Amino acid sequence: NAGVMQNPRHLVRRRGQEARLRCSPMKGHSHVYWYRQLPEEGLKFMVYLQKENIIDESGMPKERFSAEFPKEGPSILRIQQVVRGDSAAYFCASSPRAGPRADTQYFGPGTRLTVL
Amino acid sequence: SQELEQSPQSLIVQEGKNLTINCTSSKTLYGLYWYKQKYGEGLIFLMMLQKGGEEKSHEKITAKLDEKKQQSSLHITASQPSHAGIYLCGAGPLYLLGGSYIPTFGRGTSLIVHP
Repeated sequence: NAGVMQNPRHLVRRRGQEARLRCSPMKGHSHVYWYRQLPEEGLKFMVYLQKENIIDESGMPKERFSAEFPKEGPSILRIQQVVRGDSAAYFCASSPRAGPRADTQYFGPGTRLTVL
Repeated sequence: SQELEQSPQSLIVQEGKNLTINCTSSKTLYGLYWYKQKYGEGLIFLMMLQKGGEEKSHEKITAKLDEKKQQSSLHITASQPSHAGIYLCGAGPLYLLGGSYIPTFGRGTSLIVHP
C-alpha cells in the first residue's frame, strides 16, 4: 500500500507565477489535510478536505490560495501570484476517516517551494 | 483553539544517553500523536495515545499520556544517532460538541545525538 504521495518534491517559482502542489492520499483514505511549515516555525494547518468538499479552510490565507480534492485525481493546493513569503515546505496528510475519535494522519514527504 | 507547547526546543545528547521530550496542551487531549521528522523530509508517525495514563512503546521510544490528558512525554532510552531529527506532538481533529476540525502541532523538538 503506497503511502501519501506528493509532487513535485521541489518547486521553484518566480514572484508572480503560479504554484500547483499535488497530493495523492493513501489508498482508501478520503480525508486530506494540507499544512505549511515555514523555516524555524511549526507545522500550521491550512485546509481540510474530503472528496469534492472543503470542510475547513480556516488556516488558509484568504487571497491567492485555493485547494480542491476532486472526485477523481489528487488533491491540489494552488497558490497564485506567489511571493517570497510563500517559500516553505507544504505537507499533505491523509486519514481514512474522521469522527468522535481522532484518527491518525499519514504524511507525505512534502513539497518544498522556493520563490525567487 | 488548542495549543501545544513542546520542551525543550532542542536537545543535544551523547549516544547512549536517555532523554525526555514533553508536550503540554492548553486543553484536554482527545488524541495525541507523536511524529518524527528527519531534516528536510516528511513526518513519520510514531504512535498515538488516547487514554489517560496510556503508555506505548516503539523500539526504544516510549510515550505516555498523563491521567489528566493534558501532557505527554516521549522518552528515548539509550539514544543512537538514528534517533536524530525533529520530534513533533500533534493533537487530532476534535469533533465533540462542534469542536474545531483543526489539528494542532507543537513547534517540535530538535534532537541531535553525538556518536
